[in-house]
Amino acid sequence: DTAVSQTPKYLVTQMGNDKSIKCEQNLGHDTMYWYKQDSKKFLKIMFSYNNKELIINETVPNRFSPKSPDKAHLNLHINSLELGDSAVYFCASSRGGRTEAFFGQGTRLTVV
Amino acid sequence: KQEVTQIPAALSVPEGENLVLNCSFTDSAIYNLQWFRQDPGKGLTSLLLIQSSQREQTSGRLNASLDKSSGRSTLYIAASQPGDSATYLCAVRPTYGNNRLAFGKGNQVVVIP
Repeated sequence: DTAVSQTPKYLVTQMGNDKSIKCEQNLGHDTMYWYKQDSKKFLKIMFSYNNKELIINETVPNRFSPKSPDKAHLNLHINSLELGDSAVYFCASSRGGRTEAFFGQGTRLTVV
Repeated sequence: KQEVTQIPAALSVPEGENLVLNCSFTDSAIYNLQWFRQDPGKGLTSLLLIQSSQREQTSGRLNASLDKSSGRSTLYIAASQPGDSATYLCAVRPTYGNNRLAFGKGNQVVVIP
């Protein structure tokens, strides 16, 4: 059973398009996150939700909009994609904000 | 701002040798520290979580130590195997503020058969 699952695993799209990445966790966690791993492999948080409420919103362009329909899901929608958005996006979850975090397999986004 | 550094960035060892991976962080006000493994093209797998009150955690051949006051953690992997080849990431969670993990850039390990 996959604990944190993301779809799609790979996403290739043209500049200017709008795309979404979906994330679901079946661990019963109440906190979910989106992290971005850039070309230098550096992981940085983008957003965090607790019980469907936004608690962390890093300095990311407002073209990125997370949506949490329920505690088990946190989707990431990206408008007007740019070349610099190419990266691997990871979804993660934890029970509360301070326990062990579990990560998904990542979505490799390539903007051409 | 918390900064996490992992040294060495990359290393190769012959099979059977013990691995020692170092992680240092600038702000000792941490709630816990977590070690992850990342395989190429794959996600992150949680290996060990050490609470700030703990000195070490062990799981099988893995042992992680924490010296919070000096801002250091070390991951030991005993009797390395080719299957241990991966990138190992250290992440700390601050005591204050929100719940973000601050990551290092990783130790890229190759175990040579």
